[in-house]
Amino acid sequence: QKEVEQNSGPLSVPEGAIASLNCTYSDRGSQSFFWYRQYSGKSPELIMSIYSNGDKEDGRFTAQLNKASQYVSLLIRDSQPSDSATYLCAVTRSGGSYIPTFGRGTSLIVHP
Amino acid sequence: DAGVTQSPTHLIKTRGQQVTLRCSPISGHKSVSWYQQVLGQGPQFIFQYYEKEERGRGNFPDRFSARQFPNYSSELNVNALLLGDSALYLCASSLTGKDTEAFFGQGTRLTVV
Repeated sequence: QKEVEQNSGPLSVPEGAIASLNCTYSDRGSQSFFWYRQYSGKSPELIMSIYSNGDKEDGRFTAQLNKASQYVSLLIRDSQPSDSATYLCAVTRSGGSYIPTFGRGTSLIVHP
Repeated sequence: DAGVTQSPTHLIKTRGQQVTLRCSPISGHKSVSWYQQVLGQGPQFIFQYYEKEERGRGNFPDRFSARQFPNYSSELNVNALLLGDSALYLCASSLTGKDTEAFFGQGTRLTVV
């Protein structure tokens, strides 16, 4: 079982819709959770971090964390074609050092 | 204010050769981490350095080595290159390596032929 799992997609949504991206993790002691956006040929860019159960909103982005079920999700409201990218979920292991484990990423396509 | 800079941006090497990749962190950042990203996969952790000391090492063979200099820049060395080493090599810097904000450089695309 992979430590951080994401559906590779592609996830295709129409412009203006809500895109929902999901990630599950295996280490029950994981402490910190991150979403990165990576455009094709570019490096990852941190867009959200979440540390406690519940929702965290930042503009059009909402991260949701459920530690009991070991999943974290990212919602993108009013999706735009410019949101088309690969979204990487990253999880830090328990123990205190920030060495994240990344999922393989989900490709999102927002079509006009 | 300059972000994380990596050099070179692209590199082509032959099997068996050695390569050195370089990274300059954001000014004030003392931690540098290296990742390997092959096509279709997420970044895989290779090394983390903080204050010139190795803080963590991923599951990579001894052909991979790294160091951090007094100015906090870093080098990643890979010896005896294999075709499977072809990947995007990413450097990320952060203040301490234990905080949340880690910023990636643009990466070095290594092709081994």
